[in-house]
Amino acid sequence: AQSVSQHNHHVILSEAASLELGCNYSYGGTVNLFWYVQYPGQHLQLLLKYFSGDPLVKGIKGFEAEFIKSKFSFNLRKPSVQWSDTAEYFCAVNAGNNAGNMLTFGGGTRLMVKP
Amino acid sequence: GAGVSQSPSNKVTEKGKDVELRCDPISGHTALYWYRQSLGQGLEFLIYFQGNSAPDKSGLPSDRFSAERTGGSVSTLTIQRTQQEDSAVYLCASSLPVGSYEQYFGPGTRLTVT
Repeated sequence: AQSVSQHNHHVILSEAASLELGCNYSYGGTVNLFWYVQYPGQHLQLLLKYFSGDPLVKGIKGFEAEFIKSKFSFNLRKPSVQWSDTAEYFCAVNAGNNAGNMLTFGGGTRLMVKP
Repeated sequence: GAGVSQSPSNKVTEKGKDVELRCDPISGHTALYWYRQSLGQGLEFLIYFQGNSAPDKSGLPSDRFSAERTGGSVSTLTIQRTQQEDSAVYLCASSLPVGSYEQYFGPGTRLTVT
């Protein structure tokens, strides 16, 4: 069974600081990788996704993530955070086969950006 | 267009009662998923429907949980004889058929069992 680990449970940054949130997964086969964000009081929204091709993917709001297959990692980055980035971030994985598209989520990282 | 909708948004019930949670997926999305978000367990997969295929129930935590999807659209998650540990936010998501893995989530139903 696949599993996803997010190393940072809580992160506090000041505006304009750089962000990197770690995500590691355990699954030996082909995977599809996602980062979702949940702003306070809102539902989960997709930030970015990786299916294949260029391992550096760019998402909305200036976020990007890099898939490093050898490290089983898919870390999320943003060069300069804003107060509006305060949210909970979830890394998710599903197996790249047709056995079902259910997502396995990491435990989430709560990001607080201080103005 | 309209997103995934869920009702009710909040539900408070007494231990031992049955509850039904409803999900309306995005029109044209043949895949529908239920997840549960709770403090102790994070986001967990519960059940997955794809078209007319038999659902994948591998994530349901007990036989008190069941779900159906009528006409390939609306889905209902039923929890019988609710327990306090069932308190959580129940999320529904939908996606296009297999081959497109992007899931769109609804706002969730917050269930509180007293």
